[in-house]
Amino acid sequence: NAGVTQTPKFRILKIGQSMTLQCTQDMNHNYMYWYRQDPGMGLKLIYYSVGAGITDKGEVPNGYNVSRSTTEDFPLRLELAAPSQTSVYFCASRLGTPQRQGADTQYFGPGTRLTVL
Amino acid sequence: AQSVSQHNHHVILSEAASLELGCNYSYGGTVNLFWYVQYPGQHLQLLLKYFSGDPLVKGIKGFEAEFIKSKFSFNLRKPSVQWSDTAEYFCAGHTSGTYKYIFGTGTRLKVLA
Repeated sequence: NAGVTQTPKFRILKIGQSMTLQCTQDMNHNYMYWYRQDPGMGLKLIYYSVGAGITDKGEVPNGYNVSRSTTEDFPLRLELAAPSQTSVYFCASRLGTPQRQGADTQYFGPGTRLTVL
Repeated sequence: AQSVSQHNHHVILSEAASLELGCNYSYGGTVNLFWYVQYPGQHLQLLLKYFSGDPLVKGIKGFEAEFIKSKFSFNLRKPSVQWSDTAEYFCAGHTSGTYKYIFGTGTRLKVLA
């Protein structure tokens, strides 16, 4: 099991460019999440998905888009990069069992460090 | 609104000192609470979690946390820290029946050898 993988690890973008952050999990988890981590701010939820074809906004969705066409993949799209999107992005997944929805663990990917200049 | 607060932003300890990191939450309903650790250059890993039963939860690497409902707290403890415990620690909460987790702002722990 590779767990949760993310690509790329590092990226520098110019203002206005677009890119897609890739996230893949091989644990057959139902739920997937995208967070951004800024110094002193903890993790903020951008988008999440409860299954293929189902996505919803988190706390800070503006400037991002997601899709979930398969159970394994949950890409995050930045359409017009802005300096405020400079951050470290983490993808996470969890099984999401119906009986114990909150109890199972989130598994995190290694992160993508994005700089927008 | 749901929130998780960590009041210690930076903590510096010498090896063998005892550790207690504070975490307070404001939630309604049945709450699940977690402590995650992020070692330098690595991703977040679960230390321990509480969802029901014994309020004293033991995790990996000698860490434990106690859920005190009356104080809305879930403090992380370790009786004797090691240099390898240098990391950032995040408290997180989740209400059963919802999908979103709320993370605290994190506590950076530095252990001096």
